[in-house]
Amino acid sequence: DAGVTQSPTHLIKTRGQHVTLRCSPISGHKSVSWYQQVLGQGPQFIFQYYEKEERGRGNFPDRFSARQFPNYSSELNVNALLLGDSALYLCASGTGEVWEQYFGPGTRLTVT
Amino acid sequence: DAKTTQPPSMDCAEGRAANLPCNHSTISGNEYVYWYRQIHSQGPQYIIHGLKNNETNEMASLIITEDRKSSTLILPHATLRDTAVYYCIVRAYTGTASKLTFGTGTRLQVTL
Repeated sequence: DAGVTQSPTHLIKTRGQHVTLRCSPISGHKSVSWYQQVLGQGPQFIFQYYEKEERGRGNFPDRFSARQFPNYSSELNVNALLLGDSALYLCASGTGEVWEQYFGPGTRLTVT
Repeated sequence: DAKTTQPPSMDCAEGRAANLPCNHSTISGNEYVYWYRQIHSQGPQYIIHGLKNNETNEMASLIITEDRKSSTLILPHATLRDTAVYYCIVRAYTGTASKLTFGTGTRLQVTL
């Protein structure tokens, strides 16, 4: 079975630009969560969507937004990029249970 | 969610048991202990979780003290592939809201 897929793998953007990251969950999973992982730190929770409804939001500015589509795939959008947004962005799909979350390989975003 | 404290790093010889401690002295009665690990350049991977009884699965064992203020993850026969950052997370059951709060974890280095 295919795991969680994320695209693109790597991305380089300039300060002030906008970026869209994509995540395809494992078939049958209705929950998608997004995490930001800065080098040397643990992942930080950004959003969770379950059945296309937002179920949680982390302590991130309004420049960060997300949505989930009817096929349960998801997009994370970040506007007005800052240097500090450079990180690995991880997507996790699951059934909604804490112990049933499967992480994708991540998108490495570099903001210059 | 209760705060957790883990040693920043540990070493273990291949074939020996790796015992990773976690302190969660402020844990509440309805909070579970979860363990995830992150192998370099990959997304986190679920290992095991428990409430108050000791738990074992094909990957590891989880020992929770009687007062639930600390726990130990045991990898019975560590291999080089177990080299990773291990995260101890305390989280109440909240249905389909499955946010994970990662700390900085314990970096386990398994050596020959």
